[in-house]
Amino acid sequence: GQQLNQSPQSMFIQEGEDVSMNCTSSSIFNTWLWYKQDPGEGPVLLIALYKAGELTSNGRLTAQFGITRKDSFLNISASIPSDVGIYFCAGPNLSYNTDKLIFGTGTRLQVFP
Amino acid sequence: AAGVIQSPRHLIKEKRETATLKCYPIPRHDTVYWYQQGPGQDPQFLISFYEKMQSDKGSIPDRFSAQQFSDYHSELNMSSLELGDSALYFCASSPRWFGTGWAVEQFFGPGTRLTVL
Repeated sequence: GQQLNQSPQSMFIQEGEDVSMNCTSSSIFNTWLWYKQDPGEGPVLLIALYKAGELTSNGRLTAQFGITRKDSFLNISASIPSDVGIYFCAGPNLSYNTDKLIFGTGTRLQVFP
Repeated sequence: AAGVIQSPRHLIKEKRETATLKCYPIPRHDTVYWYQQGPGQDPQFLISFYEKMQSDKGSIPDRFSAQQFSDYHSELNMSSLELGDSALYFCASSPRWFGTGWAVEQFFGPGTRLTVL
């Protein structure tokens, strides 16, 4: 079935640094969603992307829908301690006429003051 | 803004017992999804409902059942609990039809942490 691979698996950065992470798929997605999850809490939707090549920002976050439709990127600028968490990419499995979300493997972000 | 409500937030059960998890979607959202997340794992889709009808099914054990009621809230019933059922269970809701197209964004609740002893 469809699989979403995220890299890096984890990141340890200094407060104020910029962060980049990506998500790749073996098949095409029509929509990319980026979520952040704090420990023991539900995923929170950060950004939704709908068109190949689309670049969307949400505050210090910027995400891009890859041209090939098989990848997406998330950038966080000037990181702060509350950015700590796990970032998941996700997409609906529309190729099977269903909208259930397939989640990526996650990128765990640690920010040190 | 109103969010998805899940209850209880924590649940401890013994093996072979039953559990019922409840989900109250965001107002005017007619689609509900259930996901299971094991420790260190990404969320895995279990089942979804649209307008009170089951719309899709994932790798949900036969011991689990779910339904969506007339007020759009949903309940996940889990019987003959096993140790491996210990996980976070999330409910997500979506408005489905967004006026100009199908909505794909799903908004997650805070989850129910189920521990089976």
